[in-house]
Amino acid sequence: GEKVEQHESTLSVREGDSAVINCTYTDTASSYFPWYKQEAGKSLHFVIDIRSNVDRKQSQRLIVLLDKKAKRFSLHITATQPEDSAIYFCAAAASSGSWQLIFGSGTQLTVMP
Amino acid sequence: NAGVIQTPRHKVTGKGQEATLWCEPISGHSAVFWYRQTIVQGLEFLTYFRNQAPIDDSGMPKERFSAQMPNQSHSTLKIQSTQPQDSAVYLCASSLAQGDNQAPLFGEGTRLSVL
Repeated sequence: GEKVEQHESTLSVREGDSAVINCTYTDTASSYFPWYKQEAGKSLHFVIDIRSNVDRKQSQRLIVLLDKKAKRFSLHITATQPEDSAIYFCAAAASSGSWQLIFGSGTQLTVMP
Repeated sequence: NAGVIQTPRHKVTGKGQEATLWCEPISGHSAVFWYRQTIVQGLEFLTYFRNQAPIDDSGMPKERFSAQMPNQSHSTLKIQSTQPQDSAVYLCASSLAQGDNQAPLFGEGTRLSVL
């Protein structure tokens, strides 16, 4: 079955710098890759997604890159702010069949003022 | 739009008791998912309904766990004879139909503590 590995368990950046979180997946059938943010004591909040028909998507300060050959995708947060501090989860799903999301283990991002 | 509503927010049960968790998906969403989150295991898929029909329950423990979706406005996850290892945050999510590839939106979860 699909496995999603999230490479950074923790990441600290200075306010205003960029943060990059990397994930890899194993199933070539995966075609949908959402990202979620989880603040302390709260649930998962959807932030951005990318489908396999594109290799880049941007929403304001968030950029997602997808490299299907390497089975790798990444979240770039530009001009980080303290409120970006949270745990970020990547996920992958196949477009056929069950479409269950397989999650990475999460990255604790800390943005230092 | 109230989002996905899960009740109760917290539930404490004694070992061997039954726990029923409730989820009200976002109106108009035809896909409903249940996940479980623990520190050790992370986010685990449990089961998935589409248009109220069970599609995939491959993540459900074979014994003691069951899920239903009797109508489009709610789903339940029932755990019989709860054990301490069932302690977790149980998350319900809903999304538009699969073909739209819309990200599931999560509720606030039910924190289950089995003493």
